[in-house]
Amino acid sequence: SQELEQSPQSLIVQEGKNLTINCTSSKTLYGLYWYKQKYGEGLIFLMMLQKGGEEKSHEKITAKLDEKKQQSSLHITASQPSHAGIYLCGAGPQETSGSRLTFGEGTQLTVNP
Amino acid sequence: GAVVSQHPSRVICKSGTSVKIECRSLDFQATTMFWYRQFPKKSLMLMATSNEGSKATYEQGVEKDKFLINHASLTLSTLTVTSAHPEDSSFYICSAMTPSGRGYEQFFGPGTRLTVL
Repeated sequence: SQELEQSPQSLIVQEGKNLTINCTSSKTLYGLYWYKQKYGEGLIFLMMLQKGGEEKSHEKITAKLDEKKQQSSLHITASQPSHAGIYLCGAGPQETSGSRLTFGEGTQLTVNP
Repeated sequence: GAVVSQHPSRVICKSGTSVKIECRSLDFQATTMFWYRQFPKKSLMLMATSNEGSKATYEQGVEKDKFLINHASLTLSTLTVTSAHPEDSSFYICSAMTPSGRGYEQFFGPGTRLTVL
């Protein structure tokens, strides 16, 4: 089965700083999803990456999928307190399906004002 | 956008009772819904895949007689925790899958916090 490892497990940054969260897969990634979760709430979809080398941005968040499609990184520029939360990467078992996602353990982000 | 709701958002019950959690896709039809369980400071663990009109597919280690899933319509799936015990206390999240331009996407509900006393 596919396993996703996220690093770091937790991160505390000062407002305005940049940060990167990594997600490494034990197998080739066909669809890599990034979600954000506030504690005790549901998941908010951020981005999906499918192609090796693909990079997507939304506001101050950029996600990349490396060429070999076994690692993805999520980069936040000029972090704000609103970015705080748990970031989860998720992956599906095959290229055409977003079903049966396996998730990483998550990265707890704290942004201090 | 696609919205998924869950009801109730929080439930506290006594040990031995059964609890039903509803998952609804509000503005789209979902032939497939998923049920996840999340422990504190842990990631989501897929429990089962719920398919409309057919039996749910359970992940290894998940007791199907303990966690009853019924996908009654294209917009509703229910998870019933039968004879709940304190170890069943957890955060349960559902998601609904719908086709999109990128294949399929999953939209998540806000979760249900179950506490079994």
